[in-house]
Amino acid sequence: EPEVTQTPSHQVTQMGQEVILRCVPISNHLYFYWYRQILGQKVEFLVSFYNNEISEKSEIFDDQFSVERPDGSNFTLKIRSTKLEDSAMYFCASSERAGNEQYFGPGTRLTVT
Amino acid sequence: GENVEQHPSTLSVQEGDSAVIKCTYSDSASNYFPWYKQELGKRPQLIIDIRSNVGEKKDQRIAVTLNKTAKHFSLHITETQPEDSAVYFCAASRSPGNQFYFGTGTSLTVIP
Repeated sequence: EPEVTQTPSHQVTQMGQEVILRCVPISNHLYFYWYRQILGQKVEFLVSFYNNEISEKSEIFDDQFSVERPDGSNFTLKIRSTKLEDSAMYFCASSERAGNEQYFGPGTRLTVT
Repeated sequence: GENVEQHPSTLSVQEGDSAVIKCTYSDSASNYFPWYKQELGKRPQLIIDIRSNVGEKKDQRIAVTLNKTAKHFSLHITETQPEDSAVYFCAASRSPGNQFYFGTGTSLTVIP
């Protein structure tokens, strides 16, 4: 069964540094998402992406964040200047079409020191 | 925006008993309600979902009910087993955009 994959599984970075989190959605899926989960808290929506543009974003997704689909398979989340409070598990998800179930990747644990 | 509340935050049941987790939502336009199971350190996995055009859906030991008028939906797990122990999240969404609004999670422990 196809799965969403994410790399790296764990990323440690210093405050102020840029990080790029990578995701490979399921191949025939058209909608892509990033969520984050701070330890012990609920999963929070960051951004959705369709047809090479952002379709929706939350208040969390400020100017420090950006997303890109650089080729036909990867979907990336960039944080330009990381803050301590960006430490969280970041999940990528994809769905075949809007209104359908979303399949989550295994997550990237980001630790900002 | 949508606000999803989930109760209880923790739940312990004896193996073989039933477990019920409840969620409420605020946006009457929400029309899709998935439930995810998240084991420690792993990805959330969809276990069941329901759309607003039905009131109940069942898949073996798992069922979900939806009351659109009251804006609440519930997860029912019967004949619980130790491997059901995990954190369960409800969510609500509506198109366009289709972002999921998650509840705060319920940590279910099934005691052998």
